Amino acid sequence: NAGVTQTPKFQVLKTGQSMTLQCAQDMNHNSMYWYRQDPGMGLRLIYYSASEGTTDKGEVPNGYNVSRLNKREFSLRLESAAPSQTSVYFCATRLTGGWQYFGPGTRLTVT
Amino acid sequence: KNEVEQSPQNLTAQEGEFITINCSYSVGISALHWLQQHPGGGIVSLFMLSSGKKKHGRLIATINIQEKHSSLHITASHPRDSAVYICAVEEDGGSQGNLIFGKGTKLSVKP
Repeated sequence: NAGVTQTPKFQVLKTGQSMTLQCAQDMNHNSMYWYRQDPGMGLRLIYYSASEGTTDKGEVPNGYNVSRLNKREFSLRLESAAPSQTSVYFCATRLTGGWQYFGPGTRLTVT
Repeated sequence: KNEVEQSPQNLTAQEGEFITINCSYSVGISALHWLQQHPGGGIVSLFMLSSGKKKHGRLIATINIQEKHSSLHITASHPRDSAVYICAVEEDGGSQGNLIFGKGTKLSVKP
């Protein structure tokens, strides 16, 4: 029972490159979230998915796209990375009305 | 606008001391969460509460809905309690249980 997993753990990109961050959960939760965490700021919601097949924008969606492939997987794509997207990215899941469970995070640097 | 404010930002304590971290919020909420972020970066949920008080081991969380304020207390603090403690609220009527996060309180407990 792995909980929430994220890949990769670390990534360095050059400006303009693209990549996909993967998140998977085995908790059978409906809701999944992508956050970014920057120094001196609270976690900020990028996108969320209330259920399989639905996605919605959060507070800071610009420059990102998401796919809720199935109930287990929720991926975050950077089409053309920018230095402003250097951050730590967390995926989280939640059963309605319950706690959020976080993945271990992906540390992304864009040079 | 900062809808969730935590104080203090940083806190240093001696082992054994009683710790209090405060959280104030400006919106109507359906629930308030306390989370812990370990020095290695992992985030775990500690409490979710909408009224009164909850206790788990040496941790106690309280909330006063009328005053829009919550506190997290740690009794008999220990160096392993050193972490960032994050307050987050679910806005009443908000989208899909999304959370609004404070910036965190960094706690360091010295032996």
